Amino acid sequence: AQTVTQSQPEMSVQEAETVTLSCTYDTSENNYYLFWYKQPPSRQMILVIRQEAYKQQNATENRFSVNFQKAAKSFSLKISDSQLGDTAMYFCAFMKHNNNDMRFGAGTRLTVKP
Amino acid sequence: ETGVTQTPRHLVMGMTNKKSLKCEQHLGHNAMYWYKQSAKKPLELMFVYSLEERVENNSVPSRFSPECPNSSHLFLHLHTLQPEDSALYLCASSQEGLALTTSEQFFGPGTRLTVL
Repeated sequence: AQTVTQSQPEMSVQEAETVTLSCTYDTSENNYYLFWYKQPPSRQMILVIRQEAYKQQNATENRFSVNFQKAAKSFSLKISDSQLGDTAMYFCAFMKHNNNDMRFGAGTRLTVKP
Repeated sequence: ETGVTQTPRHLVMGMTNKKSLKCEQHLGHNAMYWYKQSAKKPLELMFVYSLEERVENNSVPSRFSPECPNSSHLFLHLHTLQPEDSALYLCASSQEGLALTTSEQFFGPGTRLTVL
């Protein structure tokens, strides 16, 4: 079974600074997808960034980027120039290729301080 | 309405009540999901429907009964729940291609359920 571990239950960062959220996963699969989802206090979960395991290049979406280390089974999220609106729960998720079963980590609560 | 909507947003029920949660997606997707989100626990996938057929049921107690009448609507019927069933219930949808490629899931705002 696939498991996803987020070792940082809570983190904080000053506005405009950079923060990195950690995620590790365990799988024997070679072809899979990794996601970071954001859940603001309003509760609507939205996708932040997605990485296909077969791609060596790290995904980037504006201020959000990932450091995908396939051999180490690590998938960290870096948020640059943090904004107050980035305050949320962040969930790392894993999904096998051709499969609907998405596995989530326990989440990291990020607070951006003014 | 756009995206994925859920009603009601909040629900309080007794252990002997029968209630239903509703989810509607306006994205033209063909797969829908129910998740349970409890405090300090990872999201738990409960049910998956693809093309209106249930394809996944992760050992969920029978007091939870899903229904998918069409590709846009998903229900979760609740009966004789326990206090430990109190949680945020999230609905999601995705588009599964003919090649069974994996796509992202779009989530609704959730229903906060409290069982007394």
